[in-house]
Amino acid sequence: QVQLQESGPGLVKPSGTLSLTCAVSGASITDNNWWLWVRQSPEKGLEWIGEIYHSGSTNYNPSLKSRLTMLLDKSKNEFSLRLTSVTAADTAMYYCARLTGGLPDYWGQGTLVTVSS
Amino acid sequence: IVLTQSPGTLSLSPGERATLSCRASHSLSDSYLAWYQQKPGQAPRLLIFGASNRATGIPDRFSGSESGTDFTLTISRLEPEDFAVYYCQQYGHSPLTFGGGTKLEIK
Repeated sequence: QVQLQESGPGLVKPSGTLSLTCAVSGASITDNNWWLWVRQSPEKGLEWIGEIYHSGSTNYNPSLKSRLTMLLDKSKNEFSLRLTSVTAADTAMYYCARLTGGLPDYWGQGTLVTVSS
Repeated sequence: IVLTQSPGTLSLSPGERATLSCRASHSLSDSYLAWYQQKPGQAPRLLIFGASNRATGIPDRFSGSESGTDFTLTISRLEPEDFAVYYCQQYGHSPLTFGGGTKLEIK
């Protein structure tokens, strides 16, 4: 059973850095899959953030690219997201997921991140 | 690719048939269209992939179809647990995109 679990601070100050980790169990992040971050807010709905392959190759949302970094930690079977210079517009529920053939088939439960002073 | 879902809200009673629509702004390669169900406080749950294939464990009252750039999710007889928000999503073109959702509520 593939499971993903997001973790990270629930509150980030404006202009600060949002850092989240997705722990994967039941699968290896070195498998032939991409690993995805999506966020959801009432204003924007479900929004693609980006994805990372086991080689470290990445695809980022152009609107976030200048502030975004995704990394893998193969020793921990985790992948991570780092978003700098956050504003209230980055307040959302953040989900990680596995992509199989481009399809998000397994999702984490999500973690709410609020940007506020 | 922009996905437009309709209606925004659908009010039906248990036992009724639900028909949800999703229109793509451009043709999708290889019918790469999925449907998800989302309940409050939960992650989206994959129902249908490839426009018409049920995901593992999904009851057969859920079905998907396509006609050109128009996609339909049908729930043949609504059960109480089916009342939720439904999203379509295309994964044939990068970046993957989602529709705005249809809220299925109890009448």
